[in-house]
Amino acid sequence: DSGVTQTPKHLITATGQRVTLRCSPRSGDLSVYWYQQSLDQGLQFLIQYYNGEERAKGNILERFSAQQFPDLHSELNLSSLELGDSALYFCASSADGGSYNEQFFGPGTRLTVL
Amino acid sequence: AQKVTQAQTEISVVEKEDVTLDCVYETRDTTYYLFWYKQPPSGELVFLIRRNSFDEQNEISGRYSWNFQKSTSSFNFTITASQVVDSAVYFCALKETGGFKTIFGAGTRLFVKA
Repeated sequence: DSGVTQTPKHLITATGQRVTLRCSPRSGDLSVYWYQQSLDQGLQFLIQYYNGEERAKGNILERFSAQQFPDLHSELNLSSLELGDSALYFCASSADGGSYNEQFFGPGTRLTVL
Repeated sequence: AQKVTQAQTEISVVEKEDVTLDCVYETRDTTYYLFWYKQPPSGELVFLIRRNSFDEQNEISGRYSWNFQKSTSSFNFTITASQVVDSAVYFCALKETGGFKTIFGAGTRLFVKA
């Protein structure tokens, strides 16, 4: 158990809908990362937050947004969902977001868009 | 630009065989960090090792060993006397100093048969 929690574990929704994925980092970790894992794209970095501030953006679509709250938990919002958004979404956390820090991954949220 | 290549998509071995997973990376930075993560069938990514670009010492941890060669931009991972529990997808990753994105390779799926 990495100490990172993600809810829900599974989510099934329809095209055009909006969903929110939630992540709680390991105790003491200030940085949160979001990744999307799909069969054709592999593990893609979406966005990183450090202590409430956005630090880096990866291949995140404009329909997606995220935030990190004062208690350091994070939410990833996915809107106008398309079939291609079906994937496993991982949250990871690290101590302070430095390059040398390993990331601890949550169990993931499996999103299915029908 | 950063890039991580794991040319082996799938490897199948019989228990007790040794197996090496290849990782080749590209970066313009002189200081960077390399990581290996394991994703077992349960889905959660597990951190295995971190190596910085100034430390070319090989590392051994039980049945696992890593060979970092800066001259060939490779960071290969060897499992000695493989076991069925080693069956997983293994990801190599790169993070540049000052960069905030972690770039993952496509992963190598290892099947260890009893």
